[in-house]
Amino acid sequence: KAGVTQTPRYLIKTRGQQVTLSCSPISGHRSVSWYQQTPGQGLQFLFEYFSETQRNKGNFPGRFSGRQFSNSRSEMNVSTLELGDSALYLCASSLEGQILAFFGQGTRLTVV
Amino acid sequence: QKEVEQDPGPLSVPEGAIVSLNCTYSNSAFQYFMWYRQYSRKGPELLMYTYSSGNKEDGRFTAQVDKSSKYISLFIRDSQPSDSATYLCAMSSVNTGGFKTIFGAGTRLFVKA
Repeated sequence: KAGVTQTPRYLIKTRGQQVTLSCSPISGHRSVSWYQQTPGQGLQFLFEYFSETQRNKGNFPGRFSGRQFSNSRSEMNVSTLELGDSALYLCASSLEGQILAFFGQGTRLTVV
Repeated sequence: QKEVEQDPGPLSVPEGAIVSLNCTYSNSAFQYFMWYRQYSRKGPELLMYTYSSGNKEDGRFTAQVDKSSKYISLFIRDSQPSDSATYLCAMSSVNTGGFKTIFGAGTRLFVKA
């Protein structure tokens, strides 16, 4: 059974650009959650999608957005990148009503 | 004050030692208490979880939850160099919008051979 797949694994962008990250959940999982991980802040919750609907959202500016497709794959987009957006972006998928058990390897975003 | 507090360490122990990792929290609505292990350049992997209070044991790992003190612990017995990783505590509450999961900052553990 394939795990949670995130692409790309590494990304370097310039300030002001935008970026799109992708997450393919485990087959059958309809819930996808996104987290930002930085050395100083740990894992910070971005948003959660379930059946193509954003169900929960963290305290991030509107530059951070996401969506989920009918096949449960999810994308997150960050517009007008800032240096402080450099982080490891993680997604996790789960079955409805279950804790976060499966994370992807993450996408390492570096903004220069 | 953060909802979940965890000492970032680093914590360095000799091989074979008993390791104690801890977190405190402030939100009494948390019902699920989890521990994740994260190796460098990898995503977190779920080690153990506990629903409500009590202890849970899995091999060399024991998780304890004390809801009255809002304190959770993970013990690792007979620690091995392969246990060297960052350990994240996390807690979840459940509402009509699904699970809300908050993570601690993570404790870096080094087990020396």
